[in-house]
Amino acid sequence: EAQVTQNPRYLITVTGKKLTVTCSQNMNHEYMSWYRQDPGLGLRQIYYSMNVEVTDKGDVPEGYKVSRKEKRNFPLILESPSPNQTSLYFCASSYYGGHEQYFGPGTRLTVT
Amino acid sequence: GDSVTQMEGPVTLSEEAFLTINCTYTATGYPSLFWYVQYPGEGLQLLLKATKADDKGSNKGFEATYRKETTSFHLEKGSVQVSDSAVYFCALSLTGANNLFFGTGTRLTVIP
Repeated sequence: EAQVTQNPRYLITVTGKKLTVTCSQNMNHEYMSWYRQDPGLGLRQIYYSMNVEVTDKGDVPEGYKVSRKEKRNFPLILESPSPNQTSLYFCASSYYGGHEQYFGPGTRLTVT
Repeated sequence: GDSVTQMEGPVTLSEEAFLTINCTYTATGYPSLFWYVQYPGEGLQLLLKATKADDKGSNKGFEATYRKETTSFHLEKGSVQVSDSAVYFCALSLTGANNLFFGTGTRLTVIP
């Protein structure tokens, strides 16, 4: 089954404790992206990747890191999480940047 | 800049009522337009799309027509069901762009 998977689905952590949210797709997509969803703000792009070893900032990259060492994986790293990063995070992939995107189920992160 | 504006929610309708969710866009080129749906606790799923002016996208009884003259892509359904309760996002992409531009989402609740 073609899908985008994310782990964990739910995470509660404390300020400053490094964490990684994993994302994997099995559709051989070139493009992958991370979004955060906040009430009243819709989806905002954090980082994206056009291909292996190629990443770039989206609209709200501060406080986040990503890597793309393999085509299928695109982890999101929060080196020192803060409460303002409490949000619902989605990973997405597509054949290319402007094409329709396939979304993972989301990761709800709470930073206390 | 490129952007999408969709009607404020929430929208509450009775079962079998007619649905319209307005979406207008601003784009420098010739965008592709999308409607995504997010059911409770899930990621976004592509509902329908249109890639050029006057195209009509349709799926699951939903329709939207790409109107270049009014820069609109309104979502319609003739008879909604309780199972249509979800958040609906309008989005656009430009050829060669690196991401999708999303609206803020419209929450629809259908009551029996």
